[in-house]
Amino acid sequence: QKEVEQNSGPLSVPEGAIASLNCTYSDRGSQSFFWYRQYSGKSPELIMSIYSNGDKEDGRFTAQLNKASQYVSLLIRDSQPSDSATYLCAVMMNSGYSTLTFGKGTMLLVSP
Amino acid sequence: DVKVTQSSRYLVKRTGEKVFLECVQDMDHENMFWYRQDPGLGLRLIYFSYDVKMKEKGDIPEGYSVSREKKERFSLILESASTNQTSMYLCASSPLLKREQYFGPGTRLTVT
Repeated sequence: QKEVEQNSGPLSVPEGAIASLNCTYSDRGSQSFFWYRQYSGKSPELIMSIYSNGDKEDGRFTAQLNKASQYVSLLIRDSQPSDSATYLCAVMMNSGYSTLTFGKGTMLLVSP
Repeated sequence: DVKVTQSSRYLVKRTGEKVFLECVQDMDHENMFWYRQDPGLGLRLIYFSYDVKMKEKGDIPEGYSVSREKKERFSLILESASTNQTSMYLCASSPLLKREQYFGPGTRLTVT
């Protein structure tokens, strides 16, 4: 069974701090990695994609990928209360189709 | 902006009814997906389609069928709704050569 694992949280950080969200995956052949943000009662919203080892930055968000360790992370700098949401890690595994396997998500709580 | 719409935000049906959930995307995407999302179980893929009239089973296809007669429209059908199909149903689409999936707002289905 190909899996994507995330700590369910909640991860609690104070406003202005760096939030670090982690994800591991089982399929070594995976090529594409995504982070989605999901507010309570809403649908997932794509915030970052990463395809190669290293860091990718977009505003306050940085995605980090280490394929050798089968690990992908999301850093949120200067966390805001509006960042409070569940963050889903999604991996496109080596299945031949454009399907994603999702982790169960990490809930982030940013306190003012 | 990618726009994925779903026919209803909330739906209440009785056990045994036939239920149609409709999804429409306006970005000429080749791939379309149906997921359900349940607390503690995360997002699970029901069916997907990579072309008109083409369909593939996802991880949990039992009790569901799909139809894709036009490129922009992907329908999920519950032939005989059961209470264990009470869930949030999410539709997503993606272009053929890109891997990012974009979600619709979701339909919260309650089967009583």
